[in-house]
Amino acid sequence: LAKTTQPISMDSYEGQEVNITCSHNNIATNDYITWYQQFPSQGPRFIIQGYKTKVTNEVASLFIPADRKSSTLSLPRVSLSDTAVYYCLPGGGNQGGKLIFGQGTELSVKP
Amino acid sequence: DAGVIQSPRHEVTEMGQEVTLRCKPISGHDYLFWYRQTMMRGLELLIYFNNNVPIDDSGMPEDRFSAKMPNASFSTLKIQPSEPRDSAVYFCASSFTVLANYGYTFGSGTRLTVV
Repeated sequence: LAKTTQPISMDSYEGQEVNITCSHNNIATNDYITWYQQFPSQGPRFIIQGYKTKVTNEVASLFIPADRKSSTLSLPRVSLSDTAVYYCLPGGGNQGGKLIFGQGTELSVKP
Repeated sequence: DAGVIQSPRHEVTEMGQEVTLRCKPISGHDYLFWYRQTMMRGLELLIYFNNNVPIDDSGMPEDRFSAKMPNASFSTLKIQPSEPRDSAVYFCASSFTVLANYGYTFGSGTRLTVV
């Protein structure tokens, strides 16, 4: 399983763009990169997934460079409600179902 | 769909008592996962099932923990006897596929406190 490294915490202000980068140096060829969001007292929630280049949905964008050893989750114009823990999870190709969470990045959005 | 439903939301029990946590997955999902979350250890995968059959229980901490899935719409996680170090939030999740870590839906969790 690919080991991940993310910042433990980040602070931001409302209206700013937030970029969270995750390193996954030993990602396997057939692994995807998935990001989950967890609010306090709730279970994690799927945000976005990609394999390479850029993916965008209504919530976020995901940037993956050509070597795929890192990925960056971009949250445009954050609000207070984006305060949560964000997890980067490479894998899923042939891991047989294990969704393994690292420590995640605790994002705090201030007014 | 109502999502993944867990019960109870909160459980307080005394050390040594048996605790049973319950989960109803999303209809049509054939994978079910049990996770435990603590401040110290984060989110840990305990066990997961495919078509009601346990596939990987390597994360179950010890013999005091057991999980069953008697049918496609119900699973239990039992702790007997419970200990204070079992205090945590236990999450159940379900999915229709394990490919690409996609589409896992988590329940709201059961907060267990063992005193």
